[in-house]
Amino acid sequence: DGGITQSPKYLFRKEGQNVTLSCEQNLNHDAMYWYRQDPGQGLRLIYYSQIVNDFQKGDIAEGYSVSREKKESFPLTVTSAQKNPTAFYLCASSIQHRALIGGGYTFGSGTRLTVV
Amino acid sequence: DAKTTQPPSMDCAEGRAANLPCNHSTISGNEYVYWYRQIHSQGPQYIIHGLKNNETNEMASLIITEDRKSSTLILPHATLRDTAVYYCIVRVGYALNFGKGTSLLVTP
Repeated sequence: DGGITQSPKYLFRKEGQNVTLSCEQNLNHDAMYWYRQDPGQGLRLIYYSQIVNDFQKGDIAEGYSVSREKKESFPLTVTSAQKNPTAFYLCASSIQHRALIGGGYTFGSGTRLTVV
Repeated sequence: DAKTTQPPSMDCAEGRAANLPCNHSTISGNEYVYWYRQIHSQGPQYIIHGLKNNETNEMASLIITEDRKSSTLILPHATLRDTAVYYCIVRVGYALNFGKGTSLLVTP
């Protein structure tokens, strides 16, 4: 079955360390997205990518970096510059970034990052 | 993007219809209304979307007022598994912005 795989499900990081969250999709979707969710809050957009080798900052990009070397993969690096990295991180993909056709976004199951 | 307003929480008895309202008074002509839901600690799940006309699928119905300033998501026969946070989103273009949504509790 096609879908989005995020790994790992739980991640612990020491303060001051960079960490990379994996996101892989086999849906042949063009666009991919990273969101952050804090307890009791909605989702906030970190970065998105419409095509390979191109990506754009979302609303809260500071302290994060991404790459899009392959259509299937959109890893997110949480750098030491991110002041409050503990959160639930969600990756999503869609067929087109402008016209959300049919089912719209498909989300992964998320990675819960905790800074210790 | 148009801003949406949803009640923070609602209750519904199992087997009854759940009607979740959403106000989007600043919506523009080409902005779609989307509904997603999120069960605790999972990724959001698409439910339905619409532009002007009412829509229905196997999960729910979406009623959009004629002036498009508000909409209602209807779950016709709510089950305990429908307990989740429901997000109403208005957007055209590349990314969806999720607010705090409505926390729906379906009770036995």
